[in-house]
Amino acid sequence: NAGVMQNPRHLVRRRGQEARLRCSPMKGHSHVYWYRQLPEEGLKFMVYLQKENIIDESGMPKERFSAEFPKEGPSILRIQQVVRGDSAAYFCASSLQANTEAFFGQGTRLTVV
Amino acid sequence: AQSVTQLDSHVSVSEGTPVLLRCNYSSSYSPSLFWYVQHPNKGLQLLLKYTSAATLVKGINGFEAEFKKSETSFHLTKPSAHMSDAAEYFCVVSEVTGTASKLTFGTGTRLQVTL
Repeated sequence: NAGVMQNPRHLVRRRGQEARLRCSPMKGHSHVYWYRQLPEEGLKFMVYLQKENIIDESGMPKERFSAEFPKEGPSILRIQQVVRGDSAAYFCASSLQANTEAFFGQGTRLTVV
Repeated sequence: AQSVTQLDSHVSVSEGTPVLLRCNYSSSYSPSLFWYVQHPNKGLQLLLKYTSAATLVKGINGFEAEFKKSETSFHLTKPSAHMSDAAEYFCVVSEVTGTASKLTFGTGTRLQVTL
């Protein structure tokens, strides 16, 4: 049973481009969480999804950011028109049920140049 | 609303001496609590979890934590530090409301282990 898979591991984008980050949860997990970690800071909650539904997006910026978790395929975090301040590590986690332990991927490190 | 406070941003210990990483939480409901470790440029690994069973929780690599409701604390300890323990440690609280779950992270404690 593979763990949570995130790709790409490293992503470089120029200002104004779009960034797409993918997360494949562990097999059987239907709860997915996205977190952002800025340098020297802790992880900040962005969004919580269950299959085909956004449950809580209170941590996600209102503009340029969107997330989905379709019935088939990975969860996608999409950042449009990236700016330098979007440079961070983005971590995805999945869990079997709410309030059970979350397993984290190795993250995608986004650099905006 | 839930929150987590990690009282020390940096802790430095000598190899072979005890480790104490402090965490206090605030939660409106009966929370689940976790400790995660992050090694440089790596993902997060679960060390241990508390989910309303035994208040003293044993985790991997010799770590353990004690849930103290009266003090709203969940401090992480290890009797003897090893060089490989040097990493960032995060205390996490989880609440379930209805069918929704949310993890809230502390700001992290960087553990340094010296010879």
